[in-house]
Amino acid sequence: ELKVEQNPLFLSMQEGKNYTIYCNYSTTSDRLYWYRQDPGKSLESLFVLLSNGAVKQEGRLMASLDTKARLSTLHITAAVHDLSATYFCAVDFTGTASKLTFGTGTRLQVTL
Amino acid sequence: DAGVIQSPRHEVTEMGQEVTLRCKPISGHNSLFWYRQTMMRGLELLIYFNNNVPIDDSGMPEDRFSAKMPNASFSTLKIQPSEPRDSAVYFCASTRKAEAFFGQGTRLTVV
Repeated sequence: ELKVEQNPLFLSMQEGKNYTIYCNYSTTSDRLYWYRQDPGKSLESLFVLLSNGAVKQEGRLMASLDTKARLSTLHITAAVHDLSATYFCAVDFTGTASKLTFGTGTRLQVTL
Repeated sequence: DAGVIQSPRHEVTEMGQEVTLRCKPISGHNSLFWYRQTMMRGLELLIYFNNNVPIDDSGMPEDRFSAKMPNASFSTLKIQPSEPRDSAVYFCASTRKAEAFFGQGTRLTVV
């Protein structure tokens, strides 16, 4: 069964702190995506990771992919309130960029 | 580019009525997806098209759901008859070069 699991499901952190969100998946894939969703809004693409060892950074967010461990991480550095949102990872198990299986999402709340 | 455009943004309908959701993908994207998002089940893929052809509809919950893509610039998701448990946000997404872009979604409420 194709599964994508994220943890934690909910994360409350103070501004200025660092934290990591984890995304584990059940079957071999080298295509993993991170999305951000604000309440009542659509999904915004953050990162596209297409190979083992891929690392991408944008501002205070950094994503990495370890295909051997079937694990991706989204690291938050010095969190700010504007990062409060729900973060989803999604895996393409088909290898054709055609079908994404989403994780449960991590709701991040950054407090002042 | 205007992005993926969905209509309507909100729909409230009575149980038993037919509901049609619409999607215009980004020009040049050759794959289109319909997802459903609920608190209980998260994001679920309902169906996807490649070059206007339905490839995988295994996520369509029941025969009450149907989807079409008559051309590269338009797709519909129809629910007939609708039921309260169909209440959700329905997203359309289109992809190009391994990246998916989502529309703003249609919030469907069936009462």
